Amino acid sequence: SQTIHQWPATLVQPVGSPLSLECTVEGTSNPNLYWYRQAAGRGLQLLFYSVGIGQISSEVPQNLSASRPQDRQFILSSKKLLLSDSGFYLCAWSVLPEAFFGQGTRLTVV
Amino acid sequence: AQSVSQHNHHVILSEAASLELGCNYSYGGTVNLFWYVQYPGQHLQLLLKYFSGDPLVKGIKGFEAEFIKSKFSFNLRKPSVQWSDTAEYFCAVSGGGADGLTFGKGTHLIIQP
Repeated sequence: SQTIHQWPATLVQPVGSPLSLECTVEGTSNPNLYWYRQAAGRGLQLLFYSVGIGQISSEVPQNLSASRPQDRQFILSSKKLLLSDSGFYLCAWSVLPEAFFGQGTRLTVV
Repeated sequence: AQSVSQHNHHVILSEAASLELGCNYSYGGTVNLFWYVQYPGQHLQLLLKYFSGDPLVKGIKGFEAEFIKSKFSFNLRKPSVQWSDTAEYFCAVSGGGADGLTFGKGTHLIIQP
């Protein structure tokens, strides 16, 4: 069966520090992969999606970037975090049109 | 662009009360509709989904939702809620493309014993 792993579960980072969140999927090949952000009172916002290795689409301009170095690995990064980057980040994989989510990472920028 | 509107951001009910959470969407083509639930400290998980066929869909834990195409709605219902239904509920829509699901802002449901 397919599983999705996302880490770390919680992270506290100072403003201006770099960020790297990792997500891996097992049990499937060539999945569509997604990064969502959940901010209080704003629901889930799609940040990035990828349909294959090295293919990244960005939904909103922001301080973050994403990369897909391997088929089942999706990384969310930032060179310098802002206070506004705080939130709950969710990785997901998809067998269209349904999506399956990881546990999420609670990021607090201080 | 597609969008999803959930009317109630916070709902408080007593156990055994009936529940209906509203969801309206905006999308020009064929839609796939979902309700996800996030229990405290847990993953976001699928409650139910509608792709085609019978517009009344049944999900886990006694939940159901009805797709009304003319109203662009996909409301979630449960006849008798339990304390364990306390959670955040998200309605989502997908056109089936690789760009994923569009979510509503969520409804925080609190069930009082």
